[in-house]
Amino acid sequence: ELKVEQNPLFLSMQEGKNYTIYCNYSTTSDRLYWYRQDPGKSLESLFVLLSNGAVKQEGRLMASLDTKARLSTLHITAAVHDLSATYFCAALPTSGTYKYIFGTGTRLKVLA
Amino acid sequence: NAGVTQTPKFRILKIGQSMTLQCTQDMNHNYMYWYRQDPGMGLKLIYYSVGAGITDKGEVPNGYNVSRSTTEDFPLRLELAAPSQTSVYFCASSYGGGNSNQPQHFGDGTRLSIL
Repeated sequence: ELKVEQNPLFLSMQEGKNYTIYCNYSTTSDRLYWYRQDPGKSLESLFVLLSNGAVKQEGRLMASLDTKARLSTLHITAAVHDLSATYFCAALPTSGTYKYIFGTGTRLKVLA
Repeated sequence: NAGVTQTPKFRILKIGQSMTLQCTQDMNHNYMYWYRQDPGMGLKLIYYSVGAGITDKGEVPNGYNVSRSTTEDFPLRLELAAPSQTSVYFCASSYGGGNSNQPQHFGDGTRLSIL
């Protein structure tokens, strides 16, 4: 059974600093998704990572996938206040089911 | 460009009442999903559907029912509301399930309180 763990659960960082959010999953998965959720809002898609070694970047966010290590990372470069949100990763098992499994989320607060 | 539309946005129910959460999408997606999100937590899959007439259970299906008579609509039914069902419910859709490079598209959510 696929399980997805994120760490840290909470992250408070200063503007201008760099940090990485980690997403580990327990069984084989070759599709990893990152979403952003603002307080009281819905989820917005950030990245779709489909293969080992995939790297995608959008602005100050960069996501990568290592299927051998069963690890995805979301790297934040020179954080700004607007990046404050909760970030979720979700994985899809390769067993043929369509049950996306979400991590518990990382609540990021960027301090001015 | 409506995307995924959920109604109602807010609802308060008494214990034992029933209700249907509506979800419709206009993107011609085959796959649709219902999740619940408890405060400070991630999303738990309740039910999903891979096409009209086909539904299957997710991680937390107890206390809920679904149907999928059309591609567009995927309603979620609560028969006997219980306080443990107080949550935010999200409906999502995607083009091709696990065989697609597209993400899920989420509705704005329904905030449900059972008192």
